Amino acid sequence: GAGVSQSPSNKVTEKGKDVELRCDPISGHTALYWYRQSLGQGLEFLIYFQGNSAPDKSGLPSDRFSAERTGGSVSTLTIQRTQQEDSAVYLCASSGDPGAGELFFGEGSRLTVL
Amino acid sequence: AQSVTQPDIHITVSEGASLELRCNYSYGATPYLFWYVQSPGQGLQLLLKYFSGDTLVQGIKGFEAEFKRSQSSFNLRKPSVHWSDAAEYFCAVGARGTNAGKSTFGDGTTLTVKP
Repeated sequence: GAGVSQSPSNKVTEKGKDVELRCDPISGHTALYWYRQSLGQGLEFLIYFQGNSAPDKSGLPSDRFSAERTGGSVSTLTIQRTQQEDSAVYLCASSGDPGAGELFFGEGSRLTVL
Repeated sequence: AQSVTQPDIHITVSEGASLELRCNYSYGATPYLFWYVQSPGQGLQLLLKYFSGDTLVQGIKGFEAEFKRSQSSFNLRKPSVHWSDAAEYFCAVGARGTNAGKSTFGDGTTLTVKP
Protein backbone atom coordinates (compact mmCIF):
# COMPACT_ATOMS: atom_id res chain seq x y z
CA GLY A 1 0.00 0.00 0.00
CA ALA A 2 0.94 3.63 -0.18
CA GLY A 3 1.23 4.18 3.54
CA VAL A 4 1.64 2.36 6.82
CA SER A 5 -1.43 0.28 7.56
CA GLN A 6 -2.48 -0.76 11.05
CA SER A 7 -5.24 -3.04 12.25
CA PRO A 8 -7.50 -3.11 14.07
CA SER A 9 -8.15 0.62 14.28
CA ASN A 10 -10.03 0.08 17.52
CA LYS A 11 -9.90 -2.77 19.99
CA VAL A 12 -11.85 -3.12 23.21
CA THR A 13 -10.87 -6.00 25.44
CA GLU A 14 -11.33 -7.21 28.97
CA LYS A 15 -8.59 -7.09 31.55
CA GLY A 16 -6.52 -10.25 31.43
CA LYS A 17 -7.10 -11.04 27.76
CA ASP A 18 -4.35 -11.13 25.14
CA VAL A 19 -4.42 -8.77 22.15
CA GLU A 20 -2.54 -8.64 18.86
CA LEU A 21 -2.00 -5.47 16.87
CA ARG A 22 -0.79 -5.60 13.30
CA CYS A 23 1.34 -3.24 11.25
CA ASP A 24 2.01 -3.38 7.54
CA PRO A 25 4.83 -0.93 6.72
CA ILE A 26 5.50 0.94 3.52
CA SER A 27 6.84 -1.46 0.93
CA GLY A 28 10.62 -1.48 0.88
CA HIS A 29 11.06 0.20 4.26
CA THR A 30 13.61 -1.77 6.25
CA ALA A 31 13.01 -0.14 9.63
CA LEU A 32 9.83 -0.54 11.66
CA TYR A 33 9.00 1.04 14.99
CA TRP A 34 6.24 0.70 17.57
CA TYR A 35 5.30 3.62 19.78
CA ARG A 36 2.61 4.00 22.44
CA GLN A 37 0.62 7.21 22.90
CA SER A 38 -1.27 7.46 26.14
CA LEU A 39 -3.99 10.07 26.63
CA GLY A 40 -2.47 13.54 26.83
CA GLN A 41 1.04 12.19 26.57
CA GLY A 42 3.71 12.17 23.97
CA LEU A 43 4.86 9.08 22.18
CA GLU A 44 6.72 6.40 24.08
CA PHE A 45 9.16 4.23 22.12
CA LEU A 46 8.52 0.52 22.46
CA ILE A 47 10.54 -1.50 19.95
CA TYR A 48 12.55 -1.08 16.74
CA PHE A 49 13.24 -3.58 13.94
CA GLN A 50 15.96 -2.94 11.37
CA GLY A 51 16.41 -5.44 8.59
CA ASN A 52 17.55 -8.82 9.85
CA SER A 53 19.17 -7.45 12.98
CA ALA A 54 17.99 -8.36 16.44
CA PRO A 55 15.23 -5.93 17.45
CA ASP A 56 15.85 -3.15 19.93
CA LYS A 57 13.37 -4.02 22.69
CA SER A 58 14.61 -1.44 25.16
CA GLY A 59 11.29 0.40 25.34
CA LEU A 60 8.99 -2.51 26.10
CA PRO A 61 7.41 -1.73 29.50
CA SER A 62 7.09 -5.31 30.75
CA ASP A 63 7.48 -8.91 29.67
CA ARG A 64 3.78 -8.96 28.81
CA PHE A 65 4.70 -7.03 25.68
CA SER A 66 6.34 -8.69 22.70
CA ALA A 67 6.62 -8.09 18.99
CA GLU A 68 7.77 -9.90 15.94
CA ARG A 69 8.36 -9.03 12.35
CA THR A 70 7.92 -11.73 9.77
CA GLY A 71 9.76 -11.73 6.46
CA GLY A 72 11.10 -8.28 7.08
CA SER A 73 7.67 -6.79 6.49
CA VAL A 74 4.52 -7.18 8.60
CA SER A 75 4.87 -6.81 12.36
CA THR A 76 2.63 -7.92 15.20
CA LEU A 77 2.67 -6.40 18.66
CA THR A 78 1.27 -8.75 21.29
CA ILE A 79 0.15 -7.73 24.74
CA GLN A 80 -0.55 -10.61 27.10
CA ARG A 81 -2.80 -10.44 30.16
CA THR A 82 -3.82 -6.88 29.37
CA GLN A 83 -4.13 -4.35 32.18
CA GLN A 84 -6.12 -1.11 32.27
CA GLU A 85 -2.90 0.91 32.10
CA ASP A 86 -2.24 -0.66 28.69
CA SER A 87 -5.09 1.44 27.26
CA ALA A 88 -3.51 3.75 24.69
CA VAL A 89 -3.06 4.31 20.99
CA TYR A 90 -0.36 2.08 19.56
CA LEU A 91 1.37 3.68 16.62
CA CYS A 92 3.51 1.91 14.08
CA ALA A 93 6.01 3.74 11.90
CA SER A 94 8.40 2.71 9.18
CA SER A 95 11.45 4.28 7.61
CA GLY A 96 13.35 3.66 4.43
CA ASP A 97 16.48 5.29 5.80
CA PRO A 98 16.89 4.82 9.56
CA GLY A 99 19.83 7.19 9.62
CA ALA A 100 17.66 10.01 8.32
CA GLY A 101 15.28 9.68 11.22
CA GLU A 102 12.12 10.46 9.27
CA LEU A 103 9.28 8.23 10.37
CA PHE A 104 6.13 7.46 8.42
CA PHE A 105 3.32 6.71 10.82
CA GLY A 106 0.17 4.68 10.53
CA GLU A 107 -3.09 5.93 11.98
CA GLY A 108 -2.72 3.79 15.06
CA SER A 109 -4.64 1.11 16.90
CA ARG A 110 -6.67 2.41 19.84
CA LEU A 111 -6.72 -0.17 22.63
CA THR A 112 -9.21 0.08 25.47
CA VAL A 113 -8.92 -2.37 28.35
CA LEU A 114 -12.02 -2.58 30.50
CA ALA B 1 19.28 10.53 28.60
CA GLN B 2 17.62 12.67 25.99
CA SER B 3 14.41 14.53 26.75
CA VAL B 4 12.06 17.01 25.12
CA THR B 5 9.92 19.67 26.78
CA GLN B 6 7.06 21.43 25.10
CA PRO B 7 6.06 24.06 27.68
CA ASP B 8 2.71 24.95 26.14
CA ILE B 9 0.05 22.26 26.39
CA HIS B 10 -2.53 24.28 24.49
CA ILE B 11 -2.28 27.40 22.32
CA THR B 12 -5.09 29.35 20.69
CA VAL B 13 -4.41 31.80 17.86
CA SER B 14 -6.64 33.68 15.46
CA GLU B 15 -6.61 32.75 11.81
CA GLY B 16 -4.05 34.85 10.02
CA ALA B 17 -2.01 35.50 13.15
CA SER B 18 1.56 34.33 13.58
CA LEU B 19 2.43 31.22 15.55
CA GLU B 20 5.36 30.04 17.60
CA LEU B 21 5.43 26.69 19.36
CA ARG B 22 8.23 26.15 21.82
CA CYS B 23 10.46 23.12 22.16
CA ASN B 24 13.43 22.60 24.46
CA TYR B 25 15.56 19.51 24.42
CA SER B 26 18.21 17.86 26.49
CA TYR B 27 20.88 15.86 24.72
CA GLY B 28 24.59 15.31 25.16
CA ALA B 29 25.58 16.33 21.65
CA THR B 30 23.91 17.89 18.64
CA PRO B 31 20.87 15.76 17.99
CA TYR B 32 18.56 15.32 15.10
CA LEU B 33 15.46 17.43 15.72
CA PHE B 34 12.01 16.97 14.28
CA TRP B 35 8.56 18.51 14.33
CA TYR B 36 5.55 16.31 13.58
CA VAL B 37 1.88 17.23 13.24
CA GLN B 38 -1.02 14.98 14.16
CA SER B 39 -4.53 15.79 12.97
CA PRO B 40 -7.45 14.18 14.85
CA GLY B 41 -7.65 10.45 14.19
CA GLN B 42 -4.53 10.52 12.05
CA GLY B 43 -0.99 9.35 12.37
CA LEU B 44 1.88 11.79 12.71
CA GLN B 45 3.29 13.58 9.68
CA LEU B 46 6.76 15.07 9.52
CA LEU B 47 6.74 18.86 9.15
CA LEU B 48 10.48 19.47 9.14
CA LYS B 49 13.79 18.26 10.52
CA TYR B 50 17.19 19.62 11.46
CA PHE B 51 20.32 17.58 10.97
CA SER B 52 23.11 20.08 10.40
CA GLY B 53 24.01 23.24 8.54
CA ASP B 54 21.65 26.18 8.33
CA THR B 55 19.94 26.56 11.68
CA LEU B 56 16.74 27.86 10.10
CA VAL B 57 14.94 25.01 8.39
CA GLN B 58 11.92 25.19 6.15
CA GLY B 59 9.22 22.59 6.15
CA ILE B 60 5.93 21.75 4.57
CA LYS B 61 2.76 23.80 4.89
CA GLY B 62 4.68 27.04 5.36
CA PHE B 63 6.29 26.06 8.68
CA GLU B 64 9.85 26.83 9.71
CA ALA B 65 11.92 26.14 12.79
CA GLU B 66 15.13 27.56 14.19
CA PHE B 67 17.74 25.51 16.01
CA LYS B 68 19.42 27.49 18.79
CA ARG B 69 22.20 25.47 20.36
CA SER B 70 22.84 28.00 23.13
CA GLN B 71 19.23 27.76 24.26
CA SER B 72 18.74 24.06 23.48
CA SER B 73 15.64 25.08 21.60
CA PHE B 74 13.98 24.22 18.33
CA ASN B 75 10.91 26.44 18.10
CA LEU B 76 8.36 26.04 15.33
CA ARG B 77 6.97 29.13 13.59
CA LYS B 78 4.46 30.07 10.96
CA PRO B 79 3.82 33.67 9.85
CA SER B 80 0.10 33.29 9.16
CA VAL B 81 -1.98 30.46 10.56
CA HIS B 82 -4.77 28.82 8.60
CA TRP B 83 -7.79 27.09 10.14
CA SER B 84 -6.50 23.79 8.75
CA ASP B 85 -3.41 24.09 10.95
CA ALA B 86 -5.48 23.17 14.01
CA ALA B 87 -3.87 19.94 15.23
CA GLU B 88 -1.45 18.58 17.77
CA TYR B 89 2.24 19.29 17.26
CA PHE B 90 5.06 17.15 18.56
CA CYS B 91 8.73 18.02 18.85
CA ALA B 92 11.14 15.08 18.85
CA VAL B 93 14.85 14.47 19.28
CA GLY B 94 16.73 11.55 17.81
CA ALA B 95 20.24 10.22 18.22
CA ARG B 96 22.55 10.55 15.25
CA GLY B 97 23.10 7.43 13.23
CA THR B 98 20.86 4.47 12.60
CA ASN B 99 18.97 5.08 15.86
CA ALA B 100 17.68 8.42 14.59
CA GLY B 101 14.18 7.03 14.24
CA LYS B 102 14.18 5.85 17.85
CA SER B 103 13.11 9.31 18.85
CA THR B 104 12.09 10.89 22.13
CA PHE B 105 8.93 12.93 21.78
CA GLY B 106 7.56 15.83 23.77
CA ASP B 107 4.06 15.66 25.20
CA GLY B 108 2.69 17.79 22.39
CA THR B 109 1.05 21.19 21.95
CA THR B 110 -2.55 21.37 20.84
CA LEU B 111 -3.23 24.27 18.50
CA THR B 112 -6.70 25.76 18.23
CA VAL B 113 -7.37 28.30 15.48
CA LYS B 114 -10.10 30.89 16.04
CA PRO B 115 -11.94 32.20 12.97
